[in-house]
Amino acid sequence: DTAVSQTPKYLVTQMGNDKSIKCEQNLGHDTMYWYKQDSKKFLKIMFSYNNKELIINETVPNRFSPKSPDKAHLNLHINSLELGDSAVYFCASSQVGRDTQYFGPGTRLTVL
Amino acid sequence: AQSVTQLDSQVPVFEEAPVELRCNYSSSVSVYLFWYVQYPNQGLQLLLKYLSGSTLVESINGFEAEFNKSQTSFHLRKPSVHISDTAEYFCAVSENQAGTALIFGKGTTLSVSS
Repeated sequence: DTAVSQTPKYLVTQMGNDKSIKCEQNLGHDTMYWYKQDSKKFLKIMFSYNNKELIINETVPNRFSPKSPDKAHLNLHINSLELGDSAVYFCASSQVGRDTQYFGPGTRLTVL
Repeated sequence: AQSVTQLDSQVPVFEEAPVELRCNYSSSVSVYLFWYVQYPNQGLQLLLKYLSGSTLVESINGFEAEFNKSQTSFHLRKPSVHISDTAEYFCAVSENQAGTALIFGKGTTLSVSS
């Protein structure tokens, strides 16, 4: 059983398109995160949700909109994709009161 | 705000040699410290963590790290590396409360050759 799963694993699309990445965790955690890993492998937090409420929203373009339909899911929707959005996006989850974040396998987004 | 500096971007070593990957952090509050490993084309896996207590923490595959508060360091060591340890290693810090974001260093590429 995969603890944190993401779909799709690879996403290739054209500039200007809108796309979504889905994340699901079966660990019973109440906090979920999105991180972006750029071409130099630098990882940076984008968003975090606790019990479906947004608690961290770093300086990310408005084209990125996270949505958490329930505690087990955190999706990332990206409008009007740009070349600079090409990256690997990681979802993670943790439990409040516990410190460890568990990461998904990543979604490699390529914008052409 | 916290920051993490990984002092070496690439560390090439031969199999069975010892290795140290250096990590320094900066923070005005108490922090948790982590090392994550990323194997090629995979996600991040927790290698070890320091929360409190003993300053020396160990992983199941032979890595250890020592928290040094005075030097604000959390260096990762292994006495004898294997080819399979080839990966990207990330040092990370978070505030000393659950649910906060991880702040990552820029990573160190460990390349083990025979």
